[in-house]
Amino acid sequence: NAGVMQNPRHLVRRRGQEARLRCSPMKGHSHVYWYRQLPEEGLKFMVYLQKENIIDESGMPKERFSAEFPKEGPSILRIQQVVRGDSAAYFCASSSLQGASKQETQYFGPGTRLLVL
Amino acid sequence: SQKIEQNSEALNIQEGKTATLTCNYTNYSPAYLQWYRQDPGRGPVFLLLIRENEKEKRKERLKVTFDTTLKQSLFHITASQPADSATYLCALPHNQAGTALIFGKGTTLSVSS
Repeated sequence: NAGVMQNPRHLVRRRGQEARLRCSPMKGHSHVYWYRQLPEEGLKFMVYLQKENIIDESGMPKERFSAEFPKEGPSILRIQQVVRGDSAAYFCASSSLQGASKQETQYFGPGTRLLVL
Repeated sequence: SQKIEQNSEALNIQEGKTATLTCNYTNYSPAYLQWYRQDPGRGPVFLLLIRENEKEKRKERLKVTFDTTLKQSLFHITASQPADSATYLCALPHNQAGTALIFGKGTTLSVSS
């Protein structure tokens, strides 16, 4: 019974390269959230997706960052032309919104630690 | 916009004592509030959720209170153990309509034997 899976766990990129982070939600979950955690900072919400739809991207930087959650396959967070300031831990969480309730727990993956050289 | 403050960055207590962590928010009262535990190098793990109409929630040695008048939640760990040492995060919905969360910076608890 796998939980939320993220890969890679560690990713090293040089400035200007692209970073692709993958997240497979828990079985039966169709809602995915991406968060970023900078050193000494709290977790910051980036984007909330359901299958094939972006629901809330209010926390996503306007440039270079994009996210998708296709009908088949994992959710992808893509960072183009990475800069040193993108170095952080990126966490994915999934949830299952049952019925009309929105008050559901989010289950987090182990994170991808991105280092930009 | 909603802001969260957790009372201190670090809390050191002796094994067996009760640890009390504080979470204050500044804006609208959320429909619910959650507490998570995060160990170094790992993702947060859900502990408890308390709704706005609940004053108190318990789970084993954990207790959470929610005071919407004070805009505050208290998180208690009774009979603390060294294995409870971790960072504890308070989280709220980041807006009144959504389910995405905003998190406090966390309080790092160290329980010494």
